[in-house]
Amino acid sequence: EVQLVQSGAEVKKPGESLKISCKGSGYSFTSDWIGWVRQMPGKGLELMGIIYPGDSDTIYRPSFQGQVTISADKSINTAYLQWSSLKASDTAMYYCARRNGYVADAFDIWGQGTMVTVSS
Amino acid sequence: DIQMTQSPSSLSASVGDRVTITCRASQSISNFLNWYQQKPGKAPKLLIYAASNLQSGVPSRFSGSGSGTDFTLSISSLQPEDFAAYYCQQSYTTPRTFGQGTKVEIK
Repeated sequence: EVQLVQSGAEVKKPGESLKISCKGSGYSFTSDWIGWVRQMPGKGLELMGIIYPGDSDTIYRPSFQGQVTISADKSINTAYLQWSSLKASDTAMYYCARRNGYVADAFDIWGQGTMVTVSS
Repeated sequence: DIQMTQSPSSLSASVGDRVTITCRASQSISNFLNWYQQKPGKAPKLLIYAASNLQSGVPSRFSGSGSGTDFTLSISSLQPEDFAAYYCQQSYTTPRTFGQGTKVEIK
């Protein structure tokens, strides 16, 4: 079964660092881009950036550049999203998703989501 | 960035109704338009890619059409499990952008 499995929910304080993960299985993880999507409470979907695990080529949406770091470790089929200093406004659900060229670059497989809560 | 605008933002409908959601792009995106369904507390699910292609496993009551800047998602006969939020997304250029969503609620 093709799937992406994300790490569990996190509760952090402002200023703390965090790294969440997304592990792929059932397909060639290095052959498809992985995107990270933010969904703030009660809001819509925003693509933050994408990474090609084969060579770690990464493209950030400008509004997220410098705010987060996206990385991947192809040896363990895992992509990451990290923050060096969290803010309350980072509170959101974060999804990883596979971008598949066979379906017009749509995101066809999604992780279950990681809820990040930042509160003092 | 290409702006994607959906209408309506929400709608109320009954089981068995035909429902249509529209998505407009701020510039031409050919047919690089995808539709997703998101149920409360769940990850989005791909329904339609390249404007009109049904993703594997998606019921045939869902259909998509359009090209250029104007697109529609139709549900021919609304079922109880279809009450959800629906998002369009362009895959024409970077950054990929989503519409703001349309919530389909029970009348």
